[in-house]
This record gives sequence, structure tokens and C-alpha cells, in this order.
Amino acid sequence: DAMVIQNPRYQVTQFGKPVTLSCSQTLNHNVMYWYQQKSSQAPKLLFHYYDKDFNNEADTPDNFQSRRPNTSFCFLDIRSPGLGDAAMYLCATSRGQGPNLDEQYFGPGTRLTVT
Amino acid sequence: AQTVTQSQPEMSVQEAETVTLSCTYDTSENNYYLFWYKQPPSRQMILVIRQEAYKQQNATENRFSVNFQKAAKSFSLKISDSQLGDTAMYFCAFMTPGAQKLVFGQGTRLTINP
Repeated sequence: DAMVIQNPRYQVTQFGKPVTLSCSQTLNHNVMYWYQQKSSQAPKLLFHYYDKDFNNEADTPDNFQSRRPNTSFCFLDIRSPGLGDAAMYLCATSRGQGPNLDEQYFGPGTRLTVT
Repeated sequence: AQTVTQSQPEMSVQEAETVTLSCTYDTSENNYYLFWYKQPPSRQMILVIRQEAYKQQNATENRFSVNFQKAAKSFSLKISDSQLGDTAMYFCAFMTPGAQKLVFGQGTRLTINP
């Protein structure tokens, strides 16, 4: 089945130690998103790629970076995780064109713990 | 800027009952999309239903239907014959075409009791 896959599902990192979360998709969608979701809150968009075009949200800290080496993969790099970065990180995709172009498909998320 | 408000942080009903989740939004746009997403405990977020603002007819997906009131900027979700598997966090969301960005409400935690 076509889907959005996130690895790992659970990640523990130390304060200040760089960490990378990965997302892959078999939907061949043009757009990939990264969201941060803290407990009992709505997802907060960090940035998205439309193909290779990177779009950063104005309030996303510089500590968060992203890479999209090809259509299928997108990575979230946290350069120096702080305790406040502990959260669920959601990856999502959308077609970006054609029917239902804006409909987003979410992955299961990676829960990040910072010790 | 667009905003989405869900005024019910938590709701609880008995299995088989009908429940309505409220959502209001604020925008100056005339063309936009509205969504309800479901996020079950420890499971991924999935789309429940979508509504295009230019469509007057309310969207329906099996037991899920919406009451879209464009003038009032209201978009409520009705779940009929509720099931235990409907227990989840429900998010109302807004998007303008081509904006590639969902604006979420704060969410409503719905519990279906046996």
C-alpha cells in the first residue's frame, strides 16, 4: 500500500546531540511537510518542500533544518536539541497538483525524547 | 491571518449515540477548503472529511457528516451511531487553495464509552 513512513518511531537523544528523523513516501507526492506536535496540542508546521523548493515557516527556530534529496525522502535535522524540542514529529505529503491537490497524508510520527 | 477555533476541549458520549463537534474559523478569503482530521491514541492522523467552500452541499462520508455554514464561518462534524473506534483527537483545519499550509484548531478529545 502507498504510504508515508517515518523512522524511527521512537528516538531518544541527549541534550545538545544532533539528531536526524527520516520520512519516506511511496505516494509520489510533490509536497512533503514536517510538523511538530506537543502533547494535546495541534500540529505546528515547521517547513515544507514543494519538489525541491524549501519553504520555512517564519517562527521555525534555526535549530531545525531539513533536506529532501529526492522525491521519496525528506529528513528533519535538529542540530542541538533542547528539552523543549521533545515532541512528536509528523511528516505529511500532498499531491500539490491535480485532484485533491491539498489533501495531506500523515505518517505515524516519531516521538522524540531529549534527556 | 486565518484562525480556527474548536471550543470543546473534551467530549464524551455513549456508544451508538450521535455527537457533534464544533468548529469556527475566521478568514477574508472566499475560496478555501475545510477538513476534519482524526488522530487516534498512538496512531497516525487520518482525514475524515473535507468540504470545499464553493460547494453548498454538506459533505458526507458514511457515519460522518458536516454542517457547513459559510456565512457564519462554522464547520461542525456530526458522528452518527458512534463506535468505540471513534475515540480520538479530532482536529478541524483550514486551507486556502495552493497555500500548502493547514491551519489547525486546538483539537477536541472525543471519548466513546461502552
